[in-house]
Amino acid sequence: EAQVTQNPRYLITVTGKKLTVTCSQNMNHEYMSWYRQDPGLGLRQIYYSMNVEVTDKGDVPEGYKVSRKEKRNFPLILESPSPNQTSLYFCASRLDRMNTEAFFGQGTRLTVV
Amino acid sequence: GQSLEQPSEVTAVEGAIVQINCTYQTSGFYGLSWYQQHDGGAPTFLSYNALDGLEETGRFSSFLSRSDSYGYLLLQELQMKDSASYFCAGVGSARQLTFGSGTQLTVLP
Repeated sequence: EAQVTQNPRYLITVTGKKLTVTCSQNMNHEYMSWYRQDPGLGLRQIYYSMNVEVTDKGDVPEGYKVSRKEKRNFPLILESPSPNQTSLYFCASRLDRMNTEAFFGQGTRLTVV
Repeated sequence: GQSLEQPSEVTAVEGAIVQINCTYQTSGFYGLSWYQQHDGGAPTFLSYNALDGLEETGRFSSFLSRSDSYGYLLLQELQMKDSASYFCAGVGSARQLTFGSGTQLTVLP
């Protein structure tokens, strides 16, 4: 089954404790991205990657890091989480940059206390 | 960059037709997509308009007018399961998706 898998689905952590949210897709897609969703603000792009070893900042990259060492994986790293990063996070993949149909993971609800 | 505006809420009755509008301001624009999201679940792709005009997919249609920087999603024969949030998303110069803040559609029996 074609899918985008995020882990964990839920996470409660403390301020300053480094964490990684994993994202993996099995569709051989080139383009992957991370979004955060907050009430009333829609989905805001954090980082995106057009291919292996190619990443770029989205609209809200501060406080986040990503890497794209393999085509299927695109982890999101919070080096020192803060309470304002409490949010619902989605990973998404697309066949390539020309194809606009994005497939989303099930989301990771992160709470930073 | 891009900014997209859409109404925050729309209510309609089962069987009716509803239109969700989206206006955009952008310095680089390649098209408009629409996504559906149920209760914080994964957004799912509905449609994409690269050219002006109407695209129809079953009960859902999407329209784009580049000259008016405007698009809409039209849902016909509304069903209870259509209650969800609907997001328009502009496709920018780097082909990134920029989402509007979403429209919560409530379908009443």
